[in-house]
Amino acid sequence: QVQLVQSGGGLVKPGGSLRLSCAASGFTFSDYFMSWVRQAPGKGLEWISYISSTNTYTRYADSVKGRFTISRDNAKNSLSLQMNSLRAEDTAVYYCARESRVSGWYNYWGQGTLVTVSS
Amino acid sequence: DIQMTQSPSSLSASVGDRVTFTCRASQAIGISLAWYQQKPGKAPNLLVYSASRLESGVPSRFSGSVSGTDYTLTIGSLQPEDFATYYCQQYYDPQYTFGQGTRLEIK
Repeated sequence: QVQLVQSGGGLVKPGGSLRLSCAASGFTFSDYFMSWVRQAPGKGLEWISYISSTNTYTRYADSVKGRFTISRDNAKNSLSLQMNSLRAEDTAVYYCARESRVSGWYNYWGQGTLVTVSS
Repeated sequence: DIQMTQSPSSLSASVGDRVTFTCRASQAIGISLAWYQQKPGKAPNLLVYSASRLESGVPSRFSGSVSGTDYTLTIGSLQPEDFATYYCQQYYDPQYTFGQGTRLEIK
């Protein structure tokens, strides 16, 4: 069955960096776009980035552009999010998610990992 | 960016009630809309995609519809497990956006 298992996350100081990972299994990873979506405490969902199936292109929300980098390794079935210059407002649960093959809805999600940015 | 506005922000209802949530897009998005259910501490769960197509395994009491730029999610007869927060998402524009959510509470 499809599984997305996340790792990384934790407490980091403002201005610091953190890398999140998402290990995929149960499907042909290289066939699917992948995304990161976050949710600040008590708030709604915010799409922050996606990457095409073949690493051809990426896209970012304005809130993270220039600070976060999404990447994938199709040989290792893994997705990553490198987060630099972290701010207090980046504190959130971060989810990796798999898009459908047809278009941009998400039919599988990781379990989520909490990132806390605080001094 | 396309703004997605959900209403109401919260709703109280009873088991067996019929409830409707609304999501309005700031511009035309066709049928490029999905609905998700999220329970506390859990990842979202896809209910509807392409505005009205039910995801496999989702109970038939859930349905989606569209009129212009107004999208609705209807639960035909509320069950205890349906009390959760519901989000819409547009994927028409490459800058995907979610609505702010509607929290469904037990009356």
